[in-house]
Amino acid sequence: DGGITQSPKYLFRKEGQNVTLSCEQNLNHDAMYWYRQDPGQGLRLIYYSQIVNDFQKGDIAEGYSVSREKKESFPLTVTSAQKNPTAFYLCATRKRAVLNYGYTFGSGTRLTVV
Amino acid sequence: ELKVEQNPLFLSMQEGKNYTIYCNYSTTSDRLYWYRQDPGKSLESLFVLLSNGAVKQEGRLMASLDTKARLSTLHITAAVHDLSATYFCAVDIVDTGTASKLTFGTGTRLQVTL
Repeated sequence: DGGITQSPKYLFRKEGQNVTLSCEQNLNHDAMYWYRQDPGQGLRLIYYSQIVNDFQKGDIAEGYSVSREKKESFPLTVTSAQKNPTAFYLCATRKRAVLNYGYTFGSGTRLTVV
Repeated sequence: ELKVEQNPLFLSMQEGKNYTIYCNYSTTSDRLYWYRQDPGKSLESLFVLLSNGAVKQEGRLMASLDTKARLSTLHITAAVHDLSATYFCAVDIVDTGTASKLTFGTGTRLQVTL
């Protein structure tokens, strides 16, 4: 079955530690996105990528980094510079980064700082 | 900067009643999405509205889009408890070149009571 796999489902980070969230898709979609959701709030865009080896900052990119070495994969690294990383992280894909194609969302990773 | 505002933020309604959730946005777009989110879960796509005047219905939910007024509505008819969830609207805009991205509203938490 085609879909998006986010892992892990739950992740705990110690202060000052970098962690990487995985997002893998077998939908053959070109565009991939990372969103952050804080409790009781909407989703905010962190980074997005239209094609391999290219990505753009979203609204809240500070303290995060990404790579897009393969079409299927768009990992998100939460660095120690992100002071308040506890949140729910959602990865999304889109067949083309243009009109009339819907977005598909993964099941999410819940990150907690301990 | 695109702003997407939903109201109300919280809605408690009795079963059998009707109500409307409003989504206003601040820039030109003719593509708008509605999503449902259950606690701790990812997003479930409800409606994709791709043009001015678009109206879509699924069960007790009906969504419409007025691009001139920059307004979308999600109407709930004869609410049932199973509709209790948080509902998000999201506006799709082209960012740079052909890249598009979603900007989300703050969400409306719907609670349907007996």
